[in-house]
Amino acid sequence: QVDLVESGGGVVQPGKSLRLSCSFSGVNFGDFGMHWVRHSPGKGLEWVAAVSHDATNKYYEDSVKGRFTISRDNSKNTLYLQMSNLRRGDTAVYYCVKSTSAGYHNAMDAWGNGTSVTVSS
Amino acid sequence: DIQMTQSPSSLSASAGDRVTITCQASHDINNYLSWYQHKTGRAPKLLIHDASNLQTGVPSRFSGTGSGTNFTFTITSLQPEDVATYYCQQYANVFPLTFGGGTKVEV
Repeated sequence: QVDLVESGGGVVQPGKSLRLSCSFSGVNFGDFGMHWVRHSPGKGLEWVAAVSHDATNKYYEDSVKGRFTISRDNSKNTLYLQMSNLRRGDTAVYYCVKSTSAGYHNAMDAWGNGTSVTVSS
Repeated sequence: DIQMTQSPSSLSASAGDRVTITCQASHDINNYLSWYQHKTGRAPKLLIHDASNLQTGVPSRFSGTGSGTNFTFTITSLQPEDVATYYCQQYANVFPLTFGGGTKVEV
């Protein structure tokens, strides 16, 4: 059984930074592409970023390009999201999500319980 | 970007009713579509992948059909525990990956 546990969320002022982490267990982390997906009540689910199983390829939603960086450490079974220059519109619950394969053009078959990020002055 | 238009945005039905949700893609996505169930305060759950394949462990009252641009998700006999918001999502070979706007289902 796959288990994903996010951490690092909190309340932060606009323009500040935050790093989210996701601890992964249950199957071989390095075999799967990973995503960050966020949910806000007004917007529903929104894909944020993806990374291939070996971290060679990374993709971002347009509104976070240049501000967010997805990364992974396969030796630590951990996924990260470094968020900089945060905006009020980034307020959401952020989910760490596993792809069904090494890439990311697949369904998302395991989700963490999410970590809440609130951007407010 | 591929836009996913999901309807209705909400519905209310009785236990035992048949419920249908539709999702239309702005471009042909073949069968690269999944459906998720999102209960309040919980992690979203994959129900259907590749448009019509039931995820392991998901009850058979859930089903999906379609290909190209038009897709349908059905709950054949609505149960009280099915109260949730349901989302379609496309994962065709382009970025960004996109979700439909969601359908809130009440019983």
